[in-house]
Amino acid sequence: GAGVSQSPSNKVTEKGKDVELRCDPISGHTALYWYRQSLGQGLEFLIYFQGNSAPDKSGLPSDRFSAERTGGSVSTLTIQRTQQEDSAVYLCASARRQGGGDTQYFGPGTRLTVL
Amino acid sequence: QKEVEQDPGPLSVPEGAIVSLNCTYSNSAFQYFMWYRQYSRKGPELLMYTYSSGNKEDGRFTAQVDKSSKYISLFIRDSQPSDSATYLCAMSDPQLIQGAQKLVFGQGTRLTINP
Repeated sequence: GAGVSQSPSNKVTEKGKDVELRCDPISGHTALYWYRQSLGQGLEFLIYFQGNSAPDKSGLPSDRFSAERTGGSVSTLTIQRTQQEDSAVYLCASARRQGGGDTQYFGPGTRLTVL
Repeated sequence: QKEVEQDPGPLSVPEGAIVSLNCTYSNSAFQYFMWYRQYSRKGPELLMYTYSSGNKEDGRFTAQVDKSSKYISLFIRDSQPSDSATYLCAMSDPQLIQGAQKLVFGQGTRLTINP
């Protein structure tokens, strides 16, 4: 079956602009995670959605970052007033169910470059 | 100090060599330990998964966890050029918040297998 898909694959924007990144999880997966991978850094947790529960936003680096998940499926990560330090690869992952030990399947990522 | 430390390399070895990749961590609450492989311009894919201490073998890959030393390893036997990728260790705390399994990643080790 289809894996996690993300769009766009690449995004170049100017400092101060807003950007929206999209994630389509694997069908039937109720858990969805966003991570950020900066050059030379490991993946950094941003936000987590599980079903209809309130999202865990504890990893968002500033209030310029927000995310939503519509209908328990597609998710959009929005970065307002982008800064150069926001340049990174943004990865989305989905998992079948909540709980420890469940495998997270990653999408290919969106490579964001802020000029 | 980061919660998970991983030597970023790069590591370059000849084809057929045994490769050893390692991570250390500081949080004794971690119980789930994973190794992900990430090819260039792709999302991470789960390679090995271990719960608590011990060894796990899957083909040419062996994962070891030593919780007393807070040290995990991944061994690759008979390495192939197709194993060239970045290898990321990841771990999580089973004390879940809203069911989230927030993975904490190492920096990743860039591995090249030379034919």
